[in-house]
This record gives sequence, structure tokens and C-alpha cells, in this order.
Amino acid sequence: DTAVSQTPKYLVTQMGNDKSIKCEQNLGHDTMYWYKQDSKKFLKIMFSYNNKELIINETVPNRFSPKSPDKAHLNLHINSLELGDSAVYFCASSPARGGSGQPQHFGDGTRLSIL
Amino acid sequence: QQQVKQSPQSLIVQKGGISIINCAYENTAFDYFPWYQQFPGKGPALLIAIRPDVSEKKEGRFTISFNKSAKQFSLHIMDSQPGDSATYFCAATYSGGYQKVTFGTGTKLQVIP
Repeated sequence: DTAVSQTPKYLVTQMGNDKSIKCEQNLGHDTMYWYKQDSKKFLKIMFSYNNKELIINETVPNRFSPKSPDKAHLNLHINSLELGDSAVYFCASSPARGGSGQPQHFGDGTRLSIL
Repeated sequence: QQQVKQSPQSLIVQKGGISIINCAYENTAFDYFPWYQQFPGKGPALLIAIRPDVSEKKEGRFTISFNKSAKQFSLHIMDSQPGDSATYFCAATYSGGYQKVTFGTGTKLQVIP
């Protein structure tokens, strides 16, 4: 059973298009995250939701809009895609929003390529 | 304040050798320091973690050494194997926040036979 699953695994699209990435976790975790990993492998947090409530919103262009229909799902919609959006996007989850010592469980990523 | 600096950027080690990756942090509020391992095409996965109340933690061939006064911690991989070839990320977080994890910049380890 895949703990954190993302779809699609690959996404190739034209500049200016709108696209969505979906994420689901079956671990029963309360908190979910979106990360962006650039070509240099640097991992940067974008958003975090705790039980459907947005709790972390880093400096991300408002073309990126997360949505959490329930605590097991966190989707990412991107409007007007730009070349600089090309990256691997990771979804992750963790058991609790606060308290240290809670490892994050990552999906296998969605590789987004903008033509 | 929120940075975690990681070195080296890349590392080549002979099979059976010791791999050492170093990290330094600035925020003294950090109280949980995990290391993540990432294979190509996969997401990062927790490898080992430490809290600042201990100076060392060992799990199999992997050891974290922690120096609270210097605000530094390191990962040692003993008897490195080709299967250890991956990108390693140190990270730091603190219990007062919303589990926001600050990652290091990553170290690409290659273990050659």
C-alpha cells in the first residue's frame, strides 16, 4: 500500500496552461505539505495544511493554490504556468502539526516540465 | 535564522569507507534534527533523527553526532555500500511551530565499488 501517493508522476505542458496535481495519504495523518524541489535538489516548503486548515503559506506566487477537501487529500492547482515552475513537486504528511519528532512521509513526486 | 547549511555538496567514497556529511544551524529553538535519504525518482525518506539532549545516536551503520554548543551535527555512514548512493538531506525543526522543516541543501553521495 502506498502511504503518500501523487498523481500524475510526470506532467509536461505548455507555458500559460493551468494544471493540477493531486495527493492522497492513507496514514491517518493530520498534516500535509507541498514542497518544490528545483534542479539543484533544494527542497523548499510551499504550503502546509492541518486537518483542512492552511497553516503554512510561504512566499509563493498566488498562481499556486492549494486545496484540501479532507485531511487525507491535498491538491495543488497552478495557473498560468511559467518556465520557472519546472521542478519536482513533493507532497508529504506528518502525524501532528506541532511537537517535534514527527517525521514527514513523502510521496514520489510529480515532475513538472514547462515547454 | 532559519538556515541549515550542509556540506559537502557531493561526495565520492570507496566501498567500505566512511561517509561524513556535516550540517550547521543558526536557530537555537530547533529541537529535532532528522536526516532524510533520497534515491533518484523517489521522495525523501527519514533515515535517522536526533534531539539536542543527546550527543550521538546510532542505527546500524548510520550515526548522527550532535554538538549543541557549536550548533553542528553530522551524519556518519560506516562501511559505505554502493546501495547507499543517494542524496542526503539534513533538516531541523522545532516543537513551537507548525512542523515547518528547514532542509539543508543536500549532499549527493556516490559509493564506488
